[in-house]
Amino acid sequence: KAGVTQTPRYLIKTRGQQVTLSCSPISGHRSVSWYQQTPGQGLQFLFEYFSETQRNKGNFPGRFSGRQFSNSRSEMNVSTLELGDSALYLCASSLAQGVYNEQFFGPGTRLTVL
Amino acid sequence: DQQVKQNSPSLSVQEGRISILNCDYTNSMFDYFLWYKKYPAEGPTFLISISSIKDKNEDGRFTVFLNKSAKHLSLHIVPSQPGDSAVYFCAVFAGGTSYGKLTFGQGTILTVHP
Repeated sequence: KAGVTQTPRYLIKTRGQQVTLSCSPISGHRSVSWYQQTPGQGLQFLFEYFSETQRNKGNFPGRFSGRQFSNSRSEMNVSTLELGDSALYLCASSLAQGVYNEQFFGPGTRLTVL
Repeated sequence: DQQVKQNSPSLSVQEGRISILNCDYTNSMFDYFLWYKKYPAEGPTFLISISSIKDKNEDGRFTVFLNKSAKHLSLHIVPSQPGDSAVYFCAVFAGGTSYGKLTFGQGTILTVHP
């Protein structure tokens, strides 16, 4: 079974631009969560989607948004990029609908904002 | 305010010996705990989990212990192998409406010497 895939793996953008990252979950997984990893803050939860609905959201500004499609693939968008948005963005998928499900992570997208 | 703390940034052990990784949490509402391992340039890999109704869970070389009164979680790896060298994160679900949201510790770098 293929794992979680994320595209692109690396991105370089400049301040003020916007970016869209993509995540394809493991086949059959319907929940997708997004995280930001930085050296200073560690792994921080962005949001979670299940059946195309956002069920949970972390403490990030409105510049960070996401969506999920009917095939469970998910995208996240960051508008008006800031230098501090440079990070590894990870998505994770899980199988079931409930709260307590092990999450399986993709390799991440490394975003650099210049 | 860090709700999940891994107070040891690094740990070094000899191959064949036991590795003990520790994690403390502050919120007694946390009720499902997980450990992840992360290699550079990869996403975290799920290792083992435990719910708050148990105090021990074992899977091969990995055992997780939960001490609810002390709000303390530990991961034991026996015997340690050089391939176990990685960053280890503890993570928790807070229960209730924590859909898809894991709260992570800052990680402990484990180095296993041959």
